[in-house]
Amino acid sequence: DTGVSQDPRHKITKRGQNVTFRCDPISEHNRLYWYRQTLGQGPEFLTYFQNEAQLEKSRLLSDRFSAERPKGSFSTLEIQRTEQGDSAMYLCASSLPGGNSPLHFGNGTRLTVT
Amino acid sequence: KQEVTQIPAALSVPEGENLVLNCSFTDSAIYNLQWFRQDPGKGLTSLLLIQSSQREQTSGRLNASLDKSSGRSTLYIAASQPGDSATYLCAVTVNFNKFYFGSGTKLNVKP
Repeated sequence: DTGVSQDPRHKITKRGQNVTFRCDPISEHNRLYWYRQTLGQGPEFLTYFQNEAQLEKSRLLSDRFSAERPKGSFSTLEIQRTEQGDSAMYLCASSLPGGNSPLHFGNGTRLTVT
Repeated sequence: KQEVTQIPAALSVPEGENLVLNCSFTDSAIYNLQWFRQDPGKGLTSLLLIQSSQREQTSGRLNASLDKSSGRSTLYIAASQPGDSATYLCAVTVNFNKFYFGSGTKLNVKP
C-alpha cells in the first residue's frame, strides 16, 4: 500500500490557461473521488468513479471541468480556461468496494490561478 | 441536501486534557460517518468509521460515537498531546457515491 499519489503538488497558472492533474489511487481500490477544498472549508464533492465509469458529478463541476479514469486505474482532472475562483486544493481519494470502506486521500494539488 | 456542521470551529487546550469535538448532520438517513484528521497543507487521514448500525468506534485514545436519530456524532480524544494538533473533520454519506464534509474543528494542544 503506497497510498494515493497526486501530481503535481503545486500548480501556478495564469487565468485562461488549461491545467491537468493526475491521481494514482491505491492499486486495489476501484472507487475514486475528486474533491475541492478552499481555505477553512471542508472538501466539496466534484465527481466519483467506480472503475472506469463516472457515476456521479457535482453541479459545481462546470463544463470547464472534465475528469477521466481510463482503464479504471489512474484518473485525470482537467480544468480549461482557468479562472481565479478555481484556486483551491484539489484532493483525490480512493476506497475499496463495499459500503463501509474508509476513504484514503492523497496530499492534494494546490492550484493558484493568477 | 445534507448539511454537516462542526462546533467549535477552533479549540485550544493544555496538554493532557480530555476533549470532545462535535459533528451534526441534517439528514439522519446516512450510510456511515467518518472522522478525519488534516495537517496543514496535507490530505485527510481517516481516523474512525462508524457504520449506521453502530453506536461507537474506538482506536487508541480516540472514541467516536454516533446518534443517528438526533443527527449527532462526537469525537472524544483522551489525554491530548501536542501531536494531536490538527484540523478534525467529519463526513457522512447517504450512499457511497458522495461524502458530505463539515468545515472542521482546528485543534491546538499546548505543551
